[in-house]
Parts: sequence; C-alpha cells; structure tokens
Amino acid sequence: EPEVTQTPSHQVTQMGQEVILRCVPISNHLYFYWYRQILGQKVEFLVSFYNNEISEKSEIFDDQFSVERPDGSNFTLKIRSTKLEDSAMYFCARGTGVDTQYFGPGTRLTVL
Amino acid sequence: QKEVEQDPGPLSVPEGAIVSLNCTYSNSAFQYFMWYRQYSRKGPELLMYTYSSGNKEDGRFTAQVDKSSKYISLFIRDSQPSDSATYLCASVNNAGNMLTFGGGTRLMVKP
Repeated sequence: EPEVTQTPSHQVTQMGQEVILRCVPISNHLYFYWYRQILGQKVEFLVSFYNNEISEKSEIFDDQFSVERPDGSNFTLKIRSTKLEDSAMYFCARGTGVDTQYFGPGTRLTVL
Repeated sequence: QKEVEQDPGPLSVPEGAIVSLNCTYSNSAFQYFMWYRQYSRKGPELLMYTYSSGNKEDGRFTAQVDKSSKYISLFIRDSQPSDSATYLCASVNNAGNMLTFGGGTRLMVKP
C-alpha cells in the first residue's frame, strides 16, 4: 500500500505552460518532500516542507517552483513556466522523522 | 562533488546467490543511511535504514555501515528474480531534510 498517492501519473505539457503536481498523504503527517529523477539520472532533492512551511530547498528549486498545502491535505508542486529540462519523474515523499522517507509512485512530466 | 557514489552495474547473479551492493560517501555530516529499491518507472521503496556503524538485519537483507571508511553495503541472501531492480543508497544529515542519493546499482537475478 503506497504511503502517498500522486496525481496525475503522467502529465504532458507544452514548454512555457504551468503545471501542478499533487500529492495526497494516506495519513496525517507533517514532513513532506519533493524529489525529481531525470531519466537515467540520480534522484535529486527539490524541497522539504514541515508544518506548512518550506524547511529546506535545493538550488534546483528556483523561482519557477513553488509548493503549498492549500487545504491541509493535498501537497502540491507548481512549476510556473515549464522548460524542456523539467521533463522528469517527480516524487513526493512523506517522513516521520530524520531517518525515514516514504516515496509515492511518482508523476512523469513530459515537456514538449 | 559526488557525495554518494555507487557502481551502476548491471550486476547479474544466478537465483539463490548472495548479492553485495556497495556505496561510498564523502560527507562526514551524514548520519543516517538508507537503502531503497526502485523498479523501472516506479517510486523508490524503502528497504532499510540505519544510524550507527555495524550491521542491521531484516529477513534476507543486511545493511552494513562503516563510518570510519564511509562505506555502506547491502547484502541480499538467497536472491530471487523478484529482487531484480535498481538499488539506491541514500544518506542524510541530522537535520533530516534532504536525502542525497547514489546513482543506483542495477541488479538482475536470473532464474
């Protein structure tokens, strides 16, 4: 059983368009994370979110990216103006503490 | 700087073999170590995590950490074809916000 669910499973968009990727935790947790994995490359950290605030972000997470938890349940990642190089698998993860992060199935983003 | 490194493989073994997967890391701030399994186009699945140097066993899996040499290992006993996947090691510091992953080792267990 997945720890989180993610929607959509696959998103195709045109370059320059905005996309919103969603993550729905199965249970109520405070720690959330977004990672991405470009095909054939490492899983890379984007941002961590604790108690409804960003706690850490990587240099990848620039002004084009934003996260929020608008309704206290869904956790979203927005990319404002997609670029070709944003094509990747995006994973949401939830954590219970410093030692465990459980990943969702991912959203495959294709930017044309 | 590559903070966590793994041999990409592929590593091909016969069913029933003992598999040894290894990682090295360079950041002394890393305190927690995890192994994830990833099937093609799926999310990483947490297999094991450990904090201290030494061994931790869970069924057919044993994780080993040597902080003095910054070396992490995962052993799989009695390997099965269903173990065929990419194995990712990851590390995190005490703040626990950011997992740093290795590139993964692809394992193929042949029947």
